[in-house]
Amino acid sequence: AQSVTQLDSHVSVSEGTPVLLRCNYSSSYSPSLFWYVQHPNKGLQLLLKYTSAATLVKGINGFEAEFKKSETSFHLTKPSAHMSDAAEYFCVVSGDDKIIFGKGTRLHILP
Amino acid sequence: GAGVSQSPRYKVTKRGQDVALRCDPISGHVSLYWYRQALGQGPEFLTYFNYEAQQDKSGLPNDRFSAERPEGSISTLTIQRTEQRDSAMYRCASSLVQGRSPLHFGNGTRLTVT
Repeated sequence: AQSVTQLDSHVSVSEGTPVLLRCNYSSSYSPSLFWYVQHPNKGLQLLLKYTSAATLVKGINGFEAEFKKSETSFHLTKPSAHMSDAAEYFCVVSGDDKIIFGKGTRLHILP
Repeated sequence: GAGVSQSPRYKVTKRGQDVALRCDPISGHVSLYWYRQALGQGPEFLTYFNYEAQQDKSGLPNDRFSAERPEGSISTLTIQRTEQRDSAMYRCASSLVQGRSPLHFGNGTRLTVT
């Protein structure tokens, strides 16, 4: 069985400053991990994925995430936040069965 | 089609009525997932299929909920005797293979039970 925990329900950063959204996972298998973004009243869009290749994964819109097996973490980062990054972000874990979403982190960008 | 298609986009129904929500996945995608998303919450797993076989239905809340994918393509999620607590966005997603490939989501069906 697998589970995923997003450690912050809300994160606020100023425009132009770094973003860190934290995610810890638990999985009996070697997991695949994903980050999805959901803008207000929109569908879910894939940001990036880790599937046992390089541990540092680059995604769209300047986001990246690092898989750290020893810490069971897959934190999402971006060097410089933009107003358009304001959205809900979901960390997702998948083993060999169902795919589980975290509860989400709402990212607020302060002007 | 080009993406996952869900219908209807919006459904308003009276308590006690049955509803059927349809999902047409991306052609060739093996896996199909159903999620429910309440306002301000993350998607909650309901059930998933590989081809026509329902692999896991542990997320279905109770026996009023059922899903099928008889020919391994289009899927229907049926809710019988709807209750107000069933109101939510119901999202369908498909993936090329089970588990390791990204999910492609439809736009969802917003269900409102009055």
